[in-house]
Amino acid sequence: DGGITQSPKYLFRKEGQNVTLSCEQNLNHDAMYWYRQDPGQGLRLIYYSQIVNDFQKGDIAEGYSVSREKKESFPLTVTSAQKNPTAFYLCASSRGLAGGVADTQYFGPGTRLTVL
Amino acid sequence: GENVEQHPSTLSVQEGDSAVIKCTYSDSASNYFPWYKQELGKRPQLIIDIRSNVGEKKDQRIAVTLNKTAKHFSLHITETQPEDSAVYFCAASYPGGKLIFGQGTELSVKP
Repeated sequence: DGGITQSPKYLFRKEGQNVTLSCEQNLNHDAMYWYRQDPGQGLRLIYYSQIVNDFQKGDIAEGYSVSREKKESFPLTVTSAQKNPTAFYLCASSRGLAGGVADTQYFGPGTRLTVL
Repeated sequence: GENVEQHPSTLSVQEGDSAVIKCTYSDSASNYFPWYKQELGKRPQLIIDIRSNVGEKKDQRIAVTLNKTAKHFSLHITETQPEDSAVYFCAASYPGGKLIFGQGTELSVKP
């Protein structure tokens, strides 16, 4: 999982501003994912992409947007419509589906977003 | 719906004892079940996984068992050590290649 990077590590944003979190991987993985983690809670899926130029909503997509223009990159934008954006955001990648079977996901180091 | 229940939420054991964490899932089509360990402020790290064609898998002190009929799977850690202290997450695969995670178990191993 050293091949997945996220930047920045810490991010502060004023209420009402959009902000974009970066996620890059050099593992040649087809699939990429974004999760949100709140204190003492599990990982909740925001968006995922199995292939370039295609992505699907996860369980908590409202107030977020993504793009997948390149295989290596899957940026997440937290919009002003997201009512409680302060959280730890984790990006992951995997080889994707092979014969209908999911593969191991490897995580980046995360970005901690705080809304002031 | 797509759901993974994980129990217990906290677990405290003495060093050298065993620890068991249990998860249940809702979709009989789920076929991949990883377990992750997350230390404070760090990324989740895969520690072991199992696929639906296998009932049990071991890796040194760690083992995972799967009961497809009952739709539950468990993590077993033997001879626990203080460095095993962390939050552990189970997950189950759902259609489209996504994983749904349990709420996590905070394991504390007391020396």
